[in-house]
Amino acid sequence: GAVVSQHPSRVICKSGTSVKIECRSLDFQATTMFWYRQFPKKSLMLMATSNEGSKATYEQGVEKDKFLINHASLTLSTLTVTSAHPEDSSFYICSASLIAGGVQFFGPGTRLTVL
Amino acid sequence: AQTVTQSQPEMSVQEAETVTLSCTYDTSENNYYLFWYKQPPSRQMILVIRQEAYKQQNATENRFSVNFQKAAKSFSLKISDSQLGDTAMYFCAFMNPRTSGTYKYIFGTGTRLKVLA
Repeated sequence: GAVVSQHPSRVICKSGTSVKIECRSLDFQATTMFWYRQFPKKSLMLMATSNEGSKATYEQGVEKDKFLINHASLTLSTLTVTSAHPEDSSFYICSASLIAGGVQFFGPGTRLTVL
Repeated sequence: AQTVTQSQPEMSVQEAETVTLSCTYDTSENNYYLFWYKQPPSRQMILVIRQEAYKQQNATENRFSVNFQKAAKSFSLKISDSQLGDTAMYFCAFMNPRTSGTYKYIFGTGTRLKVLA
C-alpha cells in the first residue's frame, strides 16, 4: 500500500513553455502533498506544501507565480512550471502524507530538462 | 530553528558487514518523529525506519535498526549484514507537526553508502 505515482517521469521542453507534473496517491487519500526539488547529489529541497482544497504554502525563496500548485482532490496534486528556463532543469519529487504518524510516501520523481 | 546534521557525506562497507550512519538534530520540542529514508540510484525515496520520540524503545526493521538517544539528540541507523542492494543515499529526517502545522520534514544532507562486494 501507500503508493504515489508521478507523471511524466521525464520531460524535455523548450525555454518559455510551461510544463505540468502530476502527483497521485494511488491507494490512499492524502490530505497533504509536498513538492521537492533535488539537485544532483544533494538533499531534497522543499518547495511547497499543498493541502486539498486550499492554497499551497510556499517555502521562502520559491516563486509562487512560477511554480503553480493545484491540489484539486485528495489523490491528485499538480505542479506547473510556467515559462520554464534552463535553470529550472532539475529533478522534481512529490510526496503524500497520511494524518497518522506523519509518514511521507514519495513519488518516483520527474526529471525536467529545459532547452 | 530545527536542524538535522549528517556528518558523514560518504561511507563504504564490505558486503555482510555492519555499518552505522550518524544523524543528529536540534530541537526544543519533546514530541516529534524521526525517519531514515533510502534513495537508491533509481532516485525513488524509500522509507527505511521511523521512530516516535515518546517511545524509548529503538525501532527495528529486519536488518535495519536505530540507536535513538533523545537526550543527546542522536538518531543513528545501523545496517546489519550489508547487501549490495543497500548501496544508496541515506537521508535522516525530522518532523514535528506541532510547530510546522503540517507534516513538513527537515532533511539532513545525506550520506552516500556504498556496499563493496
